[in-house]
Amino acid sequence: AQKITQTQPGMFVQEKEAVTLDCTYDTSDQSYGLFWYKQPSSGEMIFLIYQGSYDEQNATEGRYSLNFQKARKSANLVISASQLGDSAMYFCAMREGNTGGFKTIFGAGTRLFVKA
Amino acid sequence: DAMVIQNPRYQVTQFGKPVTLSCSQTLNHNVMYWYQQKSSQAPKLLFHYYDKDFNNEADTPDNFQSRRPNTSFCFLDIRSPGLGDAAMYLCATSRPAGPSTHNEQFFGPGTRLTVL
Repeated sequence: AQKITQTQPGMFVQEKEAVTLDCTYDTSDQSYGLFWYKQPSSGEMIFLIYQGSYDEQNATEGRYSLNFQKARKSANLVISASQLGDSAMYFCAMREGNTGGFKTIFGAGTRLFVKA
Repeated sequence: DAMVIQNPRYQVTQFGKPVTLSCSQTLNHNVMYWYQQKSSQAPKLLFHYYDKDFNNEADTPDNFQSRRPNTSFCFLDIRSPGLGDAAMYLCATSRPAGPSTHNEQFFGPGTRLTVL
């Protein structure tokens, strides 16, 4: 069974508009961490934002925010005021408690295209 | 600047010819990871080291080996590359982390392996 599900293979957004990238996860652990990474065409994975399972507030990092709905097991990434440089692949990832704390499982990714 | 460095960025090898990919880090992180990423797919964890403690994923083929001679360096050895091993190989580091602690992974730029 998939642990991380990203249902949007590709998304388009107009420059300066906001976009939401969906992510749902599956775990029976109470303690886990959720991450979003960006991967431009150059290949390097860039950390964007983190949400811990015990965090009550939604995480925010500049133009990135994470809409964490624990009961629904969703952790959607919201990018506000999209820029052309935001065009990239975006991966949602989870680190669970019962895997030793180090293994991070990645979703299949969503490719974001920002239009001028 | 502190970073994760991978050499070479592009590697071409012949079918069956052993190849070694290298990764170094200046972050002094305890944990180092190797991922395989095929085109338009999620990164797949091959193994990780916590200091000198080696952790192999159950589905990592025996063809893949790793060495970590010291904190800064980690190598990925592919003993007999097949055509299916052509991929991007990503090295990452992190501090030790419980599942719900904010210790993200820092990735290198990757090595793109071509097998002829």
